Amino acid sequence: KNQVEQSPQSLIILEGKNCTLQCNYTVSPFSNLRWYKQDTGRGPVSLTIMTFSENTKSNGRYTATLDADTKQSSLHITASQLSDSASYICVVSSSGGKLIFGQGTELSVKP
Amino acid sequence: DAGITQSPRYKITETGRQVTLMCHQTWSHSYMFWYRQDLGHGLRLIYYSAAADITDKGEVPDGYVVSRSKTENFPLTLESATRSQTSVYFCASSQVAGVRTGELFFGEGSRLTVL
Repeated sequence: KNQVEQSPQSLIILEGKNCTLQCNYTVSPFSNLRWYKQDTGRGPVSLTIMTFSENTKSNGRYTATLDADTKQSSLHITASQLSDSASYICVVSSSGGKLIFGQGTELSVKP
Repeated sequence: DAGITQSPRYKITETGRQVTLMCHQTWSHSYMFWYRQDLGHGLRLIYYSAAADITDKGEVPDGYVVSRSKTENFPLTLESATRSQTSVYFCASSQVAGVRTGELFFGEGSRLTVL
């Protein structure tokens, strides 16, 4: 069964600290993995996409990694800011075009 | 550049009533989607459309009806609302290439409460 599991479900960190969010998937055949950020009361917005051949990709303070062998991805946030408080959703695309959504990690950055 | 807009943003209705959620996009994207988001379930696909007059069921289509007479509009109708349909509904759109890469552009959501 195609599944995407994210951990932790929720996370509280202090402003300026780093954090790492995890995404494990069992989707096959795998096409790509995308991380979305969803601010409270808003729709999700794409942060980055990881394809099979990519190991690491950065977007400002956000760095995504992908290990296609272990079927794991992580999203690392450096020097967190209050505006990073949001839900982060991992979405895996199968080669057939189906999107499988994770349940998200709720990140709260406190001053 | 309005992008993708949903209306209403908030709606309270009663069990058994018909409700229509509107979605309008200005990008001329081929694909449009309706998702619902509930605690513990994440985003679940209700219906999608590959083009005008072409629609297909998603993961949780029961109790919902869609139509797409124009490329830019994709309304979602709950013909007889039930309490289990209380949720936040997101409309999204995508170009053809974006569907393969999972690049969806979401609206702001419509929060529906069924009493």
